Amino acid sequence: IAGITQAPTSQILAAGRRMTLRCTQDMRHNAMYWYRQDLGLGLRLIHYSNTAGTTGKGEVPDGYSVSRANTDDFPLTLASAVPSQTSVYFCASSDSQMVRRKTEAFFGQGTRLTVV
Amino acid sequence: QQQVKQSPQSLIVQKGGIPIINCAYENTAFDYFPWYQQFPGKGPALLIAIRPDVSEKKEGRFTISFNKSAKQFSLHIMDSQPGDSATYFCAASEGFQKLVFGTGTRLLVSP
Repeated sequence: IAGITQAPTSQILAAGRRMTLRCTQDMRHNAMYWYRQDLGLGLRLIHYSNTAGTTGKGEVPDGYSVSRANTDDFPLTLASAVPSQTSVYFCASSDSQMVRRKTEAFFGQGTRLTVV
Repeated sequence: QQQVKQSPQSLIVQKGGIPIINCAYENTAFDYFPWYQQFPGKGPALLIAIRPDVSEKKEGRFTISFNKSAKQFSLHIMDSQPGDSATYFCAASEGFQKLVFGTGTRLLVSP
């Protein structure tokens, strides 16, 4: 089934540890995104990538890094986790080259991360 | 600063009722306004979207009303059903990238 796969589905992480959240899409979308979802705050953009080889900062980028070595993969790394990074993380992709046509961001199932 | 303000935070309606969720934005460069639906444990999924050149769009029981001069848009769910119980997010973007989301509305439709 085509779509976005995130791993792991959930994780408990000790503060100060490094963690990489994985995201893979098989729709050949050029754009990919990482959001975090927190109660009362909605979905906030962490980092994005318009195309392979490029990345950009979103609304809440501090403490996170991303890379986009190819079209399909967009991992999110927490270099040294802190409790405030406890959240549900969603990866998404879209085909932003479909100018003037229906554009939809497809989301993965999310990764629930708890930093203790 | 919240670029897209959404209200109410939660909403309870009886089956058959018409819940209305409202959103307001400031950035006049926004030109794409989707609504996403999220069920517990799932990622958000596109429900319906509108562009600023129209004032209303209907898809099945879901309608977006758009007021460009007021910089507001809203979602109406006609003949709501218990299966519509979910969290709804409005969003906006300039061009087709980097969606900015509202804070979400948790809707409960009672049987």
